[in-house]
Amino acid sequence: RKEVEQDPGPFNVPEGATVAFNCTYSNSASQSFFWYRQDCRKEPKLLMSVYSSGNEDGRFTAQLNRASQYISLLIRDSKLSDSATYLCVAFLASGGSYIPTFGRGTSLIVHP
Amino acid sequence: EAGVAQSPRYKIIEKRQSVAFWCNPISGHATLYWYQQILGQGPKLLIQFQNNGVVDDSQLPKDRFSAERLKGVDSTLKIQPAKLEDSAVYLCASSSRGDSSYGYTFGSGTRLTVV
Repeated sequence: RKEVEQDPGPFNVPEGATVAFNCTYSNSASQSFFWYRQDCRKEPKLLMSVYSSGNEDGRFTAQLNRASQYISLLIRDSKLSDSATYLCVAFLASGGSYIPTFGRGTSLIVHP
Repeated sequence: EAGVAQSPRYKIIEKRQSVAFWCNPISGHATLYWYQQILGQGPKLLIQFQNNGVVDDSQLPKDRFSAERLKGVDSTLKIQPAKLEDSAVYLCASSSRGDSSYGYTFGSGTRLTVV
């Protein structure tokens, strides 16, 4: 089992739709979770941190569910410009330290 | 604030040749990471430095890859000799905290093609 798993998609949605991605992680001792956005042939850019209490930034909401070991990203009122790959990151406990581990990314395509 | 600087942007080499990448992190950032991103996959951590010490290099193929951060600022990643499967984007990232509670910033990457 991969340590951080994401559905690669693509998720193909119309403008204005609400879309949600999940990301599961294998190690219950993990801490520090993030969502990154990566545009084609560009570097990943930090989108938002993820907390158990939830984190909202405009149309984006991130949530951590420690009991089920997954994080989620909800995008409301999708825009064409939201088309990108969304990468989740979990700092997985390993030998006394925490290793930042990425999922393979979920591709989102927003169409008119 | 200046971002993470990487060079070169692109590199094409033949297999069995050597190559080196350079990274200058954001000023004051103690933690520096090198990632390898193969097309269609998420970035894979190769090595993490805290100042000039190695925190983790468990996924670094040490028979051919090496990295250093001698003065705790900029860093170089070397591949010697390169294989076809090393074709990827090599990303450098830095953060001010080791656990990156505030996330970290990536450079633009070096796209390596091994032919």
